[in-house]
Amino acid sequence: DAGVTQSPTHLIKTRGQQVTLRCSPKSGHDTVSWYQQALGQGPQFIFQYYEEEERQRGNFPDRFSGHQFPNYSSELNVNALLLGDSALYLCASSYQGALSEKLFFGSGTQLSVL
Amino acid sequence: AQSVTQLGSHVSVSEGALVLLRCNYSSSVPPYLFWYVQYPNQGLQLLLKYTSAATLVKGINGFEAEFKKSETSFHLTKPSAHMSDAAEYFCAVSDRGSSGDKLTFGTGTRLAVRP
Repeated sequence: DAGVTQSPTHLIKTRGQQVTLRCSPKSGHDTVSWYQQALGQGPQFIFQYYEEEERQRGNFPDRFSGHQFPNYSSELNVNALLLGDSALYLCASSYQGALSEKLFFGSGTQLSVL
Repeated sequence: AQSVTQLGSHVSVSEGALVLLRCNYSSSVPPYLFWYVQYPNQGLQLLLKYTSAATLVKGINGFEAEFKKSETSFHLTKPSAHMSDAAEYFCAVSDRGSSGDKLTFGTGTRLAVRP
């Protein structure tokens, strides 16, 4: 049983560019959350998708957007990249019917903005 | 808003010594609390969680944590440190009864284990 998979593992972009990160949830999970982890910090909640809709959103600008597909996989898009967007982006999946029971995290995508 | 504070960004112990990582929470409602571990270049792995059942929670790898409402604390302990315990540890809180599994994390504590 595959866990949460994220792609790519590493990415280098320049300021002003756009980036798309991808996540496949654990089998049986229907909810996907995205977190940003800056160097030396704890993860910060970006947003959560359920039933192909954004259900919750953290304190992130509109440059951060996402999408969930019918197969529950998800994408995180960041437009007009800033140097401060450099971070590890973590995807976590869960089952809607088990609130706060357990999130499964992927290994993340390391984004470097030059 | 829920929040957690982790005291000590770096903790160093000798192999075989007691591990104590501190976490205090702020919540207007009874919280769900979690401890996660992160090894280098990896995602987060759940160590244990408190969801209002027993106040002493046992997790994986010999870790446990005690929920103390009077002290608003949820400290993580392990009786005897092992070299493989060296990692970053994060305390997190979740809104009970919220519409999803949104977690608010602390800033983390890096545990070093000396031989």
